[in-house]
Amino acid sequence: QITLKESGPTLVKPTQTLTLTCTFSGFSLSTSGVGVGWIRQPPGKALEWLALIYWDDDKRYSPSLKSRLTITKDTSKNQVVLTMTNMDPVDTATYYCAHQGPVANWFDPWGQGTLVTVSS
Amino acid sequence: EIVLTQSPGTLSLSPGERATLSCRASQSVSSSYLAWYQQKPGQAPRLLIYGASSRATGIPDRFSGSGSGTDFTLTISRLEPEDFAVYYCQQYGSSPEYTFGQGTKLEIK
Repeated sequence: QITLKESGPTLVKPTQTLTLTCTFSGFSLSTSGVGVGWIRQPPGKALEWLALIYWDDDKRYSPSLKSRLTITKDTSKNQVVLTMTNMDPVDTATYYCAHQGPVANWFDPWGQGTLVTVSS
Repeated sequence: EIVLTQSPGTLSLSPGERATLSCRASQSVSSSYLAWYQQKPGQAPRLLIYGASSRATGIPDRFSGSGSGTDFTLTISRLEPEDFAVYYCQQYGSSPEYTFGQGTKLEIK
C-alpha cells in the first residue's frame, strides 16, 4: 500500500521560504520510472501542479513558479522536499504530494495535504 | 500551455440520474495523457480515470471516460449519494507538464 504524508509549517510570513517534506512508504524512489510530484490548491480554487522529481533525479517545474521552487529527494529516508522562496499571501493553499508510477502521467495516490497560510 | 476548460461549472442532479462532465482542451491532447480525479470536501483528490478511459483500481464501473483530441467526457451512469463531489480533469503535456481544469462541482438537486 502506497501512502504519502506532507509536513511543514502551517504559517509562514511574507518573503519567507517555505520548506515542505513529503514522507512516503510502499514504494521506492529508486525504482525506474517512479516520481513524486507536488500540487497545491488555494482555498476554494482549482489544483495547480508545482513540481515533480523522478527516480533518476530528473526534475520538472511549473514554468510560472520555476524561479522560486526547488525539489529534492532523499531516497534513503523515503522523502521528497519542496522549497518555495519569497512566499506571498497568494501562495496560501493546501499543498499535496503525490505518487507517479512508471510510465504514468497521472498522480495516484495523493497525500492528505497540508494547509499553509502566508500572513504577517 | 494547454488550458483545460471544464463544463458545466456546477451540475445539479439527483441520485440515480446520469451525469456527463466535459473537459475541453485548448490544443489536442493525446488520449493517453488525460486523467480525471474526484475530490470530496476536506479530502485529497482521488484518481478515477487515466488514459482517458481506463478506470483506476477500485473505481466502480458506473464511472467511465471517453473522448479524444480536444474533447473528453466523464460519465457517471447512475449517481450514488457518495458521487457528489468536485471533479477535475488533468493533462500531461509540455511546459507545463501538468495542467488541471478548473473543476466541475456535482451537487445534489
